[in-house]
Amino acid sequence: NAGVTQTPKFQVLKTGQSMTLQCAQDMNHEYMSWYRQDPGMGLRLIHYSVGAGITDQGEVPNGYNVSRSTTEDFPLRLLSAAPSQTSVYFCASTRGYGAKNEQFFGPGTRLTVL
Amino acid sequence: TQLLEQSPQFLSIQEGENLTVYCNSSSVFSSLQWYRQEPGEGPVLLVTVVTGGEVKKLKRLTFQFGDARKDSSLHITAAQPGDTGLYLCAGDTSGSRLTFGEGTQLTVNP
Repeated sequence: NAGVTQTPKFQVLKTGQSMTLQCAQDMNHEYMSWYRQDPGMGLRLIHYSVGAGITDQGEVPNGYNVSRSTTEDFPLRLLSAAPSQTSVYFCASTRGYGAKNEQFFGPGTRLTVL
Repeated sequence: TQLLEQSPQFLSIQEGENLTVYCNSSSVFSSLQWYRQEPGEGPVLLVTVVTGGEVKKLKRLTFQFGDARKDSSLHITAAQPGDTGLYLCAGDTSGSRLTFGEGTQLTVNP
C-alpha cells in the first residue's frame, strides 16, 4: 500500500513550457485534490475531483488543467508555465466525507519556472 | 483574503516549554483539522474536531474547538525537538473541501 505517490519530485521549467504532474493513489478513494503551497500562504486548492470523470475548480485554477479518467490517477497539467507557478504542489486523496474525512497527502513536487 | 488566520506565524522555543498556536476565522466550520508538516513531505493529519467546545488530546498535544466553531487552538506541553514542524489548521466548509491557514512554523531547540 503506497498511499499517494507524486512524480516528479523536482522539476525546472522555462516560461511557456508545458508539463504534467502525476498523482496516483491505491486506496480506492473517490475524492482527490491538488494544492499549491507558497510561503506565508498555506495550501490553496487548485482543482479537485469527486470521482472518475468529474472535476471542478478550486480557489486558484487559472493556468492548470486536470482530468480524472480513473479512480487511481489525477494528473495536473500546466499548459504554458509562468514564473508565478513556481511553488510546491501537493496531491491529496480523501477518505470519508464531511466531518469524518481524512486527507492523505503525497510527498509533493517542487516546481521552479524560470 | 485568508479565511483562516494562524498565529503566531513563527515560534522558536526551548525544549520543555509550553506553547499555544491559534487558528481564527469569522466563518463557522462544520469541522476543523490540524496537520503537521515536516520539510520535504506532505502534511499529516493530527486531529479533527467537530463539536463546538470539543477538546481532544494526543499525548502532549491538546486541541480545542471554539464554542462557536469559528476558532481553534493547539497547545503543546513540554515541547520536544521532535515537535518541530509546520502546523496547519484547515476548516471544512463544504463536504471534503478544506480551507487552510497559512501555518505556524515551530522550532523547538534542545
